[in-house]
Amino acid sequence: QQPVQSPQAVILREGEDAVINCSSSKALYSVHWYRQKHGEAPVFLMILLKGGEQKGHDKISASFNEKKQQSSLYLTASQLSYSGTYFCGAISSGSARQLTFGSGTQLTVLP
Amino acid sequence: DSGVTQTPKHLITATGQRVTLRCSPRSGDLSVYWYQQSLDQGLQFLIQYYNGEERAKGNILERFSAQQFPDLHSELNLSSLELGDSALYFCASSVGAVPNYGYTFGSGTRLTVV
Repeated sequence: QQPVQSPQAVILREGEDAVINCSSSKALYSVHWYRQKHGEAPVFLMILLKGGEQKGHDKISASFNEKKQQSSLYLTASQLSYSGTYFCGAISSGSARQLTFGSGTQLTVLP
Repeated sequence: DSGVTQTPKHLITATGQRVTLRCSPRSGDLSVYWYQQSLDQGLQFLIQYYNGEERAKGNILERFSAQQFPDLHSELNLSSLELGDSALYFCASSVGAVPNYGYTFGSGTRLTVV
């Protein structure tokens, strides 16, 4: 079952902050975040494992609430290069351990 | 260059035909995953191979099949192609059977069925 991402689209000005949410109806083993620019392959940003801590990478960080089966991606002081579609991927705490992606959030950063 | 190589980059073929997409994983990665991305469907998981064995299957049609060879490269075979099969097909690789360090994606094969 596909995780649910919100919002579907965000438009920001350079320097503004954004939050993208990802939720699942199943117990999660891990959550991944990827960014895909138009016409390119998705690029891995970070992974949050069950029992793990909040991860960060420059001005992009994420959290994982295991009780609510939710993850949030935080983009601080957005740069033009942050534009793209952000996908969360969830692996459920079952035997299959398949990564299922959400439908994506299109982020546009304007100058 | 991500280290995952997919060929060909573009493919145009007619309905009813069969095509083969090829993927070489990043050096040291044992798992290969295939995903289909179309405009209205997002990234749909098709199948995973780990060290030559099928490990997980997603929404892969019976007309599609895949395999992973001893040198770890993988091929995705699509047959009896339909217009709706037009999509971007991505291959990704990871070190282990469970991607605890994330996926590395190839640049994709854009398939157009006419």
